[in-house]
Amino acid sequence: DGGITQSPKYLFRKEGQNVTLSCEQNLNHDAMYWYRQDPGQGLRLIYYSQIVNDFQKGDIAEGYSVSREKKESFPLTVTSAQKNPTAFYLCASRGTNNYEQYFGPGTRLTVT
Amino acid sequence: GENVEQHPSTLSVQEGDSAVIKCTYSDSASNYFPWYKQELGKRPQLIIDIRSNVGEKKDQRIAVTLNKTAKHFSLHITETQPEDSAVYFCAAHYGKLTFGQGTILTVHP
Repeated sequence: DGGITQSPKYLFRKEGQNVTLSCEQNLNHDAMYWYRQDPGQGLRLIYYSQIVNDFQKGDIAEGYSVSREKKESFPLTVTSAQKNPTAFYLCASRGTNNYEQYFGPGTRLTVT
Repeated sequence: GENVEQHPSTLSVQEGDSAVIKCTYSDSASNYFPWYKQELGKRPQLIIDIRSNVGEKKDQRIAVTLNKTAKHFSLHITETQPEDSAVYFCAAHYGKLTFGQGTILTVHP
């Protein structure tokens, strides 16, 4: 299944708490991505990283933060500033000479 | 930035019929157009893709056509089966992928 893992599968948090979602890949891919998926909508890009120690904001970065200290890992922190954090979060990676993105299994975050 | 519109949002067909999903994109510089299939609660999986220098690509029962002049591309599924039921997403790439809103395909036995 592509060598991308996300944990946990389900995550529950109280409003006002920061929460970090894990994404790890063993595909030796340089580029990694975080998407948010809401019912009836497509995937929206939160942040992406083309190389270690570098990342860029996507279309809906407000209220989120990321780091890319290792090639294999691209954790996403959902901060208390994110107004509507409940969603399905998908991580993806891509090799340098390939357009195809491989997705992880996703984390469903519920904030109450 | 790039904008991708996908239609229809839902599509219901009988087993054995064909299904067609259409997408339009706004940035003429987009050069790669994948289609993903996502089953309920699962990850999106690439089913077919096409690059901007190709007009059509086929893989068994699925095919994708691209019209660069009109900036639209379509997914064609022939001889549909119940296991084709899923959400299908198109996307366009220029620097990054921009996804359409998705089509819920239901194939009735």
